[in-house]
Amino acid sequence: KAGVTQTPRYLIKTRGQQVTLSCSPISGHRSVSWYQQTPGQGLQFLFEYFSETQRNKGNFPGRFSGRQFSNSRSEMNVSTLELGDSALYLCASSFRTGNGYTFGSGTRLTVV
Amino acid sequence: QKEVEQNSGPLSVPEGAIASLNCTYSDRGSQSFFWYRQYSGKSPELIMFIYSNGDKEDGRFTAQLNKASQYVSLLIRDSQPSDSATYLCAVKPGGTSYGKLTFGQGTILTVHP
Repeated sequence: KAGVTQTPRYLIKTRGQQVTLSCSPISGHRSVSWYQQTPGQGLQFLFEYFSETQRNKGNFPGRFSGRQFSNSRSEMNVSTLELGDSALYLCASSFRTGNGYTFGSGTRLTVV
Repeated sequence: QKEVEQNSGPLSVPEGAIASLNCTYSDRGSQSFFWYRQYSGKSPELIMFIYSNGDKEDGRFTAQLNKASQYVSLLIRDSQPSDSATYLCAVKPGGTSYGKLTFGQGTILTVHP
């Protein structure tokens, strides 16, 4: 069974640019969550999608957005990049929330 | 007070010993508790989850939950050098919290031969 696939693995962007990250969940998983991981703040919840609907959102500015497609694949977008957006962005999928989430390998974003 | 706090590390134990990792949480409505392991440069990997008070065992790992004390722990028996990693405690908040897990800052465990 394929795991959670995130693309690209690495990205380098310039301040002010925008970026789109992609996540394909495990087959059959309809819930997809996004997290940001930094050395200072640790893992922080960005948002969660289920059946193409955003059900929950973390405490991040509106520059961070996402969407989910009918095949459960999800994308997140960060506009007007800032240096502080440099982080590992992790996508996680679940069949049932209570059983925990399986994380993808992440996208390492560096903003210069 | 942080929502999820883990015992400060790093924690160093000899091979074959029991490693004890602790976590406290502030939301009394929390229902689900998870332990993840993260190797350097890798993504978190789910080790165990627990919902009910008491112990839950899976191989060399035992999770313990005490909701009255708002405390969850992970014991690793017969620790191996391959267990050296950062261990993350995660809590699913109570109420409507779809998809959200609140993570502790992690405890770095080193198992030395």
